[in-house]
Formats: sequence, C-alpha cells, structure tokens
Amino acid sequence: AQSVTQPDIHITVSEGASLELRCNYSYGATPYLFWYVQSPGQGLQLLLKYFSGDTLVQGIKGFEAEFKRSQSSFNLRKPSVHWSDAAEYFCAVGGPNDYKLSFGAGTTVTVRA
Amino acid sequence: GAGVSQTPSNKVTEKGKYVELRCDPISGHTALYWYRQSLGQGPEFLIYFQGTGAADDSGLPNDRFFAVRPEGSVSTLKIQRTERGDSAVYLCASSPGSLAQYFGPGTRLTVL
Repeated sequence: AQSVTQPDIHITVSEGASLELRCNYSYGATPYLFWYVQSPGQGLQLLLKYFSGDTLVQGIKGFEAEFKRSQSSFNLRKPSVHWSDAAEYFCAVGGPNDYKLSFGAGTTVTVRA
Repeated sequence: GAGVSQTPSNKVTEKGKYVELRCDPISGHTALYWYRQSLGQGPEFLIYFQGTGAADDSGLPNDRFFAVRPEGSVSTLKIQRTERGDSAVYLCASSPGSLAQYFGPGTRLTVL
C-alpha cells in the first residue's frame, strides 16, 4: 500500500530564512511525487511534481524538491521564505498506473516577521 | 483558462438530509477525482472517473455516497441520509489523463 509521512506537523520560520519540509513515502514501484500548497480557505495548488529524470525539480513560487530514492524522500525547499508562504503544505504520491493520490497529513508553515 | 470549479462553496444541512455537490472540471480533462479532507488531515481518495464511467469507487465510505458524470464533464457527488461524520471539505480534481491533478476550491459540508 502506498503512504506518505510528513514528520513535521508545524514549522515556524523567520521571513527571509530558508525552509525545508520533509516528506517520506512508501510505494511499491516507481513513484510519481507531488507537493501541493493550501492557503486558508483555498483549494490545493500544485507546487511541483516529479515523474522521472532529473531528481531535483523546480516549481512555482521559488520552491524546489529533491527525489532521493535511497531514502524514499522528496523534501521541499525554499531558500528565502516570504510572509505569503504561510500555508499548509501537502506531499502526495501516486504512480504511472495509479491514479489515486495518497497524501500526507500536511505541514503547517508559519512565517514570523 | 478556467480552473476546476465547485458549487456550492459551503453547504450546511441537517442530519438525515440529502445533499448534492457539483464539480466542473477543466475543459478537456478526461479524468475527474473526488477527495474528502477532514480537519487536520490530508485529502483522502473517494472516486475516480475516466470519461463517463467510475473507474474506481473504492474510496467511497459506504452506500450512502454516490457520484455520477453522465456526459463526461460535470460530476455530482451525492450523499444520502447525511451524518455528522460526513462533515468535511469535499475536493474535486481533474487531470488530462494520468498527469498531475488540479484541484478545485472545495465544498465545505457541515452536517448539524
């Protein structure tokens, strides 16, 4: 069965500081991996995705993520956060023949001035 | 272009009532998904449509839940005899095949 673990429930970071959100997945075959962001009262917005190829993927809003197969991880990073990055972030896993996405429980990011 | 739209944005109903939630996917997307997101959790899969047919409804919690997509575009999620435990945000997503899913803003359902 596929699953996603996001070990950090809540992270607080200062504006301008770097951010890293952890994601570990369990999947029996080659995974498709996604990061979504959800602002209060909003739907999920796709930040970036990994299907194959270069293990470092670039997304929108200055985010990037690195796929590490040996560690079953797909951590999200941003070099310098902005106050508008305060939101909840979800990691998800699926596959080329697996239309269902399994989501982690999410990490809430608070940005302090 | 327009994204996935869902109506209503909020729905308050009484226990035992019937509700319908509507999803209008991105034009041309053949695949449509319904998820349910409870407070403090990530979305959980309910049902997947490829075209007009439900390819997988294994995530529907029980037979009170049903979804249709009669013309391969708009979908309706139907919940009979609502229970307080059905309160959640119901998310719809669409995709052009097996690629990334694009989500709508959701419908917040509250069962009193």
